[in-house]
Amino acid sequence: DIQMTQSPASLSASLGETVTIECLASEDIYSNLAWYQQKPGKSPQLLIYYANSLNDGVPSRFSGSGSGTQYSLKINSLQSEDVSIYFCQQNYDSPNTFGAGTKLELK
Amino acid sequence: EVQLVESGGGLVQPGRSLKLSCAASGFTFSNYGMHWIRQAPTKGLEWVASISPSGGSTYYRDSVKGRFTISRDNAKSTLYLQMDSLRSEDTATYYCATGHSSYIYDYWGQGVMVTVSS
Repeated sequence: DIQMTQSPASLSASLGETVTIECLASEDIYSNLAWYQQKPGKSPQLLIYYANSLNDGVPSRFSGSGSGTQYSLKINSLQSEDVSIYFCQQNYDSPNTFGAGTKLELK
Repeated sequence: EVQLVESGGGLVQPGRSLKLSCAASGFTFSNYGMHWIRQAPTKGLEWVASISPSGGSTYYRDSVKGRFTISRDNAKSTLYLQMDSLRSEDTATYYCATGHSSYIYDYWGQGVMVTVSS
């Protein structure tokens, strides 16, 4: 199975700050990478797919980048509603696999 | 509006069975592959099983093969997960999900909790 390693595991940032979450795949996943946001007590929601495509309705302060084995999610101008756990997921190979998550909190 | 509503969860003893359902609405159910994904308490997400739009093809993670069965009734727009020989490690919130592309999950249900304990 392809292993997805996210960093950091947790992150504390201030309102208006820019944050970046990294995701490293154990092998090349050819940009078949998605990012999900899970707010406390809620289901995950798709933010980004194919590494850099913004899902409908997702604010433009979210962006994704990367290729090969290294990917990142960037949140510009952090808002209070961005407090969540963020997961990356590879859908290149079966079984599709998720990172362990990054918990984003407000400082 | 796409809606996915899971039901059927609960507390069950190890070795027993449970059947989850996911009622879908707001889209043409028979056109979409469907998936079950689970999340153990305070843990990450784990894909469990998938089924093709017609129901003719099914896929499972290794740890549930031979114990879980995914199925669908397109006439009722409902997805199922029959879980047999349950183990403590199957304890999780189970989500049904779907999307426009294979294994990209645009839409999720609210989740249903399954607890396997004596």
